[in-house]
Amino acid sequence: SQTIHQWPATLVQPVGSPLSLECTVEGTSNPNLYWYRQAAGRGLQLLFYSVGIGQISSEVPQNLSASRPQDRQFILSSKKLLLSDSGFYLCAWRRNDRGDEQYFGPGTRLTVT
Amino acid sequence: GQQVMQIPQYQHVQEGEDFTTYCNSSTTLSNIQWYKQRPGGHPVFLIQLVKSGEVKKQKRLTFQFGEAKKNSSLHITATQTTDVGTYFCAGQRQAGTALIFGKGTTLSVSS
Repeated sequence: SQTIHQWPATLVQPVGSPLSLECTVEGTSNPNLYWYRQAAGRGLQLLFYSVGIGQISSEVPQNLSASRPQDRQFILSSKKLLLSDSGFYLCAWRRNDRGDEQYFGPGTRLTVT
Repeated sequence: GQQVMQIPQYQHVQEGEDFTTYCNSSTTLSNIQWYKQRPGGHPVFLIQLVKSGEVKKQKRLTFQFGEAKKNSSLHITATQTTDVGTYFCAGQRQAGTALIFGKGTTLSVSS
């Protein structure tokens, strides 16, 4: 069966510090991968998606970046965090050969102070 | 750009009452999906609707996709406290493209 991992689960970082959130998927190959942000318990904002290694599409211009160094690894980064970067960051995967449903990881709660 | 609107934003019901959330797209969708997010948790896939006018049921949950494939609804019969959470619809303009999520409807249930 497939599983998706995210870490850390919670993170408190000062303004201006760097960020690195990691997401890994097990039990599938060549998945589509997604990073979402959810602010204050509300809607899901798509940040980045990737259809393959090294292929990143950005949906919202901001001070965040994403990378996919391996087939089942997706990383969200920032060089300098802003207060507005606080939120719940969710990684998700989807089969790219059949089905369109997405499977979400447990998320990382980021608080920028 | 394409938008998916969802109403209401919040709904409080007494246990045993029915609940409905509505989802409307500005453009025709290829399919629509529904997700549930429990408080403190992550969204979990519930169902996907693909055909015009499609109706699917999961126990007390009934999902509908409009004839024009631009709107959808989720109806819960006789709510229970376990139904608490935020329900999101998500549409795709074309199969395989990115999902456009609605802002969700947060359901609270008092016993």
